[in-house]
Amino acid sequence: EAQVTQNPRYLITVTGKKLTVTCSQNMNHEYMSWYRQDPGLGLRQIYYSMNVEVTDKGDVPEGYKVSRKEKRNFPLILESPSPNQTSLYFCASSLSLTGGAEAFFGQGTRLTVV
Amino acid sequence: GESVGLHLPTLSVQEGDNSIINCAYSNSASDYFIWYKQESGKGPQFIIDIRSNMDKRQGQRVTVLLNKTVKHLSLQIAATQPGDSAVYFCAERGGYQKVTFGTGTKLQVIP
Repeated sequence: EAQVTQNPRYLITVTGKKLTVTCSQNMNHEYMSWYRQDPGLGLRQIYYSMNVEVTDKGDVPEGYKVSRKEKRNFPLILESPSPNQTSLYFCASSLSLTGGAEAFFGQGTRLTVV
Repeated sequence: GESVGLHLPTLSVQEGDNSIINCAYSNSASDYFIWYKQESGKGPQFIIDIRSNMDKRQGQRVTVLLNKTVKHLSLQIAATQPGDSAVYFCAERGGYQKVTFGTGTKLQVIP
């Protein structure tokens, strides 16, 4: 089954404690991205990757890092989480942005930073 | 997620009626538009897309209309069912392949 898998689904952490949210897709998609979703603000792109070892900032990259060492994985790293990073995070992948293919989203990771 | 539906405009529709969800987009250079459905506790799910060289596209029970003159997009759902209850939002692809998402509309289907 084609899917994007994020882990964990829920995470509560303390300010400053580094964390990683994993994302994996089994569709051999080139394009992957991370979004955060906050009430009233919709989905905002954090980082995206056009292919292996190619990443770029989205609209709200501050406080986040990503890596794309393999095509299937695109982890999101918060080196020093802060309460304003409490949000619902989604990873997405698509075959090719230019091809117009729709994005497949993961189930989401609800992060709370206290 | 559960909090996604808060602070959103809500459309309440009787089961069996047609639903029309509207979206105003901002970038006249956007060339590709997508409608997503997000059920509570789940990630967004692709519904239908349309390119800027089209005015209308139909899927199964859904139709997307694009009016480039007024930068307006609409999603029509025929014979709305309880399973259609969700948050719906549009996305536009503009310059440099950047995709921007709308904030969404919550659809409530009344049985």
